[in-house]
Amino acid sequence: DAGITQSPRYKITETGRQVTLMCHQTWSHSYMFWYRQDLGHGLRLIYYSAAADITDKGEVPDGYVVSRSKTENFPLTLESATRSQTSVYFCASSGGRSNYNEQFFGPGTRLTVL
Amino acid sequence: AQKVTQAQTEISVVEKEDVTLDCVYETRDTTYYLFWYKQPPSGELVFLIRRNSFDEQNEISGRYSWNFQKSTSSFNFTITASQVVDSAVYFCALKPGGTSYGKLTFGQGTILTVHP
Repeated sequence: DAGITQSPRYKITETGRQVTLMCHQTWSHSYMFWYRQDLGHGLRLIYYSAAADITDKGEVPDGYVVSRSKTENFPLTLESATRSQTSVYFCASSGGRSNYNEQFFGPGTRLTVL
Repeated sequence: AQKVTQAQTEISVVEKEDVTLDCVYETRDTTYYLFWYKQPPSGELVFLIRRNSFDEQNEISGRYSWNFQKSTSSFNFTITASQVVDSAVYFCALKPGGTSYGKLTFGQGTILTVHP
């Protein structure tokens, strides 16, 4: 299907485990983003990528790792999950090189860390 | 630093009422972009509108309208004749202008509930 997809949609894991959240977009957008959404904090940027092999930290990067070997994929890894990382995670993408362009969001992944 | 404030945490209306969601922003940039997103109960984030800082024309799209006032740093969103399907969380967001990466700053969101 065209657009931006995330998998899994729901994930329960235990403290200390490694978890990878997948994000795939079919628009060939250059920019991709990972956000987390928590009550009282709105959406906060974790990492972003301007192109394949180019990534940079956002507002709350600690505890997360990203990679972008292909334009269409932008996985987010929690190397050792903690309870504070229980959240809803959104992937987004944006085309073009101007900040004019809106970001399109995936459906989200609800992650629970026990 | 950029900041977006949505002072209304929750709004509750009855169907067919008009409702306005407030958004006030702070930025030092002379060029910037403002956005509204809708998050229905299903959870996805849906893009509604983008506005450039140099274009203060109001916009209307069906029952939705947006009022951008640079003088008061506000970008308010009005739903006319609200419907139950309008129930959602609405986010206002701000991004600086330019061609390099600019952080998209979201407000805290306003939960709108439209009762039948």
